[in-house]
Amino acid sequence: KAGVTQTPRYLIKTRGQQVTLSCSPISGHRSVSWYQQTPGQGLQFLFEYFSETQRNKGNFPGRFSGRQFSNSRSEMNVSTLELGDSALYLCASSWDRNEQFFGPGTRLTVL
Amino acid sequence: GQQVMQIPQYQHVQEGEDFTTYCNSSTTLSNIQWYKQRPGGHPVFLIQLVKSGEVKKQKRLTFQFGEAKKNSSLHITATQTTDVGTYFCAGLYNFNKFYFGSGTKLNVKP
Repeated sequence: KAGVTQTPRYLIKTRGQQVTLSCSPISGHRSVSWYQQTPGQGLQFLFEYFSETQRNKGNFPGRFSGRQFSNSRSEMNVSTLELGDSALYLCASSWDRNEQFFGPGTRLTVL
Repeated sequence: GQQVMQIPQYQHVQEGEDFTTYCNSSTTLSNIQWYKQRPGGHPVFLIQLVKSGEVKKQKRLTFQFGEAKKNSSLHITATQTTDVGTYFCAGLYNFNKFYFGSGTKLNVKP
């Protein structure tokens, strides 16, 4: 069974730009969650999508958005990038809030 | 709001010593999961605890869920260098949203 894949693995952007990250969950998994990981804040929950609907949202500004497609693939978008958005963005898929399988992450650097 | 407190933040042990990390919540959890993240890697699921007072073992790892379903612990017996990494708990509230603890970074000296 193929694992969770995330693209791209690394990104360098400048302040004010926007970025789109992609996540392909494990086949059959309907839930996709996104997390931001930084050394200072740990793993912060961004949002969860289930069957193309946002089921939950963390405490992030509206610049962070996401969506899920009918094949369960998910994207997250960050607009008007700030220096503080530099982080590892992790996607996790699960059948339904049980064991979460994490992807390798996208390392975003904002200059 | 919901928050899962995890201690200690860091733990340095000599190989062969035991290690324990603790997670506490102010409100009752629906379940709790544990993950391990190796340096440079991503979190990997270890176990899920659901029942009050549940204890599960995986070789040298023992996981406990408190009677009130507000706290949990992970204990490693006789640590090995392969145990190095950061251990996270993730509490599920109202079967709705996961909150991760801040993690305990374990370093094992050979």
